[in-house]
Amino acid sequence: TQLLEQSPQFLSIQEGENLTVYCNSSSVFSSLQWYRQEPGEGPVLLVTVVTGGEVKKLKRLTFQFGDARKDSSLHITAAQTGDTGLYLCAVNYNQGGKLIFGQGTELSVKP
Amino acid sequence: NAGVTQTPKFQVLKTGQSMTLQCAQDMNHNSMYWYRQDPGMGLRLIYYSASEGTTDKGEVPNGYNVSRLNKREFSLRLESAAPSQTSVYFCASNRVSHTEAFFGQGTRLTVV
Repeated sequence: TQLLEQSPQFLSIQEGENLTVYCNSSSVFSSLQWYRQEPGEGPVLLVTVVTGGEVKKLKRLTFQFGDARKDSSLHITAAQTGDTGLYLCAVNYNQGGKLIFGQGTELSVKP
Repeated sequence: NAGVTQTPKFQVLKTGQSMTLQCAQDMNHNSMYWYRQDPGMGLRLIYYSASEGTTDKGEVPNGYNVSRLNKREFSLRLESAAPSQTSVYFCASNRVSHTEAFFGQGTRLTVV
């Protein structure tokens, strides 16, 4: 059983559309991170959310941490082809140093 | 600033061969990680090291061993490679476990 369940696993949209991806768990976390990975590269951190209900914005990307700190969402407004990539959520599990990732959402934005 | 450096970038092994993947970071980070990435599986943690001198198993440790040689270096060893270990391997590091993790470029390993 995955600690973090991401949905959808694949998403193919046209440029200009909006989208939301989700990261869900039955566990409570002190913080949650979102990373983006491009082909042939390692993941790069986008944001860390810490407080339940917290909303963070990064240009056209909006990140929200659930009130109960068990889930998170990433919303992209007016997607661009440059948003194409693999989006991964991650948590520090059990405060023991294990940085665990979800299975990712593969986003393809077509012109 | 090199960040996290992995070697080699590509490797082909025959079943049963052994090899060591090397990872070094120059950011004075305490924690280091080894992940494997397979299609549709995200990043799965193999082993991690919360600090110099300590290592612990992750989600998929079977068939692997690690050594935290010093604060900078964390190596991953495959003693007897199997086709199921064909994957892309990433090394990562962060200052402490809940802070930003920095990744290497990855090692693409094929076991035939």
